[in-house]
Amino acid sequence: GDSVTQMEGPVTLSEEAFLTINCTYTATGYPSLFWYVQYPGEGLQLLLKATKADDKGSNKGFEATYRKETTSFHLEKGSVQVSDSAVYFCALQNQGGSEKLVFGKGTKLTVNP
Amino acid sequence: EADIYQTPRYLVIGTGKKITLECSQTMGHDKMYWYQQDPGMELHLIHYSYGVNSTEKGDLSSESTVSRIRTEHFPLTLESARPSHTSQYLCASSGRFRLAGGTQYFGPGTRLLVL
Repeated sequence: GDSVTQMEGPVTLSEEAFLTINCTYTATGYPSLFWYVQYPGEGLQLLLKATKADDKGSNKGFEATYRKETTSFHLEKGSVQVSDSAVYFCALQNQGGSEKLVFGKGTKLTVNP
Repeated sequence: EADIYQTPRYLVIGTGKKITLECSQTMGHDKMYWYQQDPGMELHLIHYSYGVNSTEKGDLSSESTVSRIRTEHFPLTLESARPSHTSQYLCASSGRFRLAGGTQYFGPGTRLLVL
């Protein structure tokens, strides 16, 4: 079945450091890929998405590129801020059927001033 | 900005009580979902709906039930709450895949504690 493997945390960085959170997937067909962010005590917010190979999703300084050859969708940000502290989830979605999201286990990021 | 609402946000209740978690969306989305998030953060699909009068069970077995009588409303009910039901419950909705990319928008969640 479909699955997402995500870099385990927690990850602790200093402000303005470079961030990478690795995500790889296994799926049939051609899934869409997503990064969601969850701030403490809140639900999930869509951070960015990509729907086909070589697409780059970007938002709020975060980027991820859909790499079909390596089945990856790594999240990057050049300079993190304290306000980026949250849990990040990589997810995939196949077309048809329930179109459910299959999530990775989440990576908790803490950014210190 | 997604308009999807969940109530209550927090609920502490005793074992054996019946509870209903409410979820409403104002986007006219056809598909709605319930996910359960365990304390280790993992998210699992427990119910989904393609539209009015359609409900299906998800991947994770759950003792809860759902109904979809109106497009905008997708409540989840536990007939007899148990401590094992303690979790966060997240509701989501999405439009038709081809038109909206199938992106799911999430509500703020209900954090349930059963004593």
